[in-house]
Amino acid sequence: TQLLEQSPQFLSIQEGENLTVYCNSSSVFSSLQWYRQEPGEGPVLLVTVVTGGEVKKLKRLTFQFGDARKDSSLHITAAQPGDTGLYLCAGGPGTYKYIFGTGTRLKVLA
Amino acid sequence: DTAVSQTPKYLVTQMGNDKSIKCEQNLGHDTMYWYKQDSKKFLKIMFSYNNKELIINETVPNRFSPKSPDKAHLNLHINSLELGDSAVYFCASSQIPATNEKLFFGSGTQLSVL
Repeated sequence: TQLLEQSPQFLSIQEGENLTVYCNSSSVFSSLQWYRQEPGEGPVLLVTVVTGGEVKKLKRLTFQFGDARKDSSLHITAAQPGDTGLYLCAGGPGTYKYIFGTGTRLKVLA
Repeated sequence: DTAVSQTPKYLVTQMGNDKSIKCEQNLGHDTMYWYKQDSKKFLKIMFSYNNKELIINETVPNRFSPKSPDKAHLNLHINSLELGDSAVYFCASSQIPATNEKLFFGSGTQLSVL
């Protein structure tokens, strides 16, 4: 069974700080995605990484897919209160069955 | 114009009752899903449908019965509700059933079973 473990589970930081969230598995994934979910809403896709070692940037967010395609990280530079939310990684073997990570709840204090 | 809409937003009911949640997507996608998010925010797949046909039933109890009258709709009916069914249920869709495809989620239905 494929599992995606995220760390840390909770993170509370001050505005302006940097942070990294990790998503790890013992299984190989064909691709990994990162979603952000705000209270009362469904998750919204941030990025998809498909190649081992791939790095993608989305403004202050940097996403990396591990060389072996078993892990991924999300780095936020100079966090802002608007970054507050639940961050979820997700992946799958190829079709239909997206598996979501255990989640990281981020709170950025002004 | 909401891409994936589900109703109701909140559902409070007694144990043993039967209830339904409706989902519609206007994106023209072929694939739709139901996910359950528990109190620890863990999101777990329940069902996947492609072009109205059930593809994945992730060991969900028989009390849960999805129905897809057409590929834009995927409804979820739950019989004999139990306390453990309390959770947030999300409908989602994607263009094709590949796990590098973007999932579009509805805003969720918070089900509380008393």
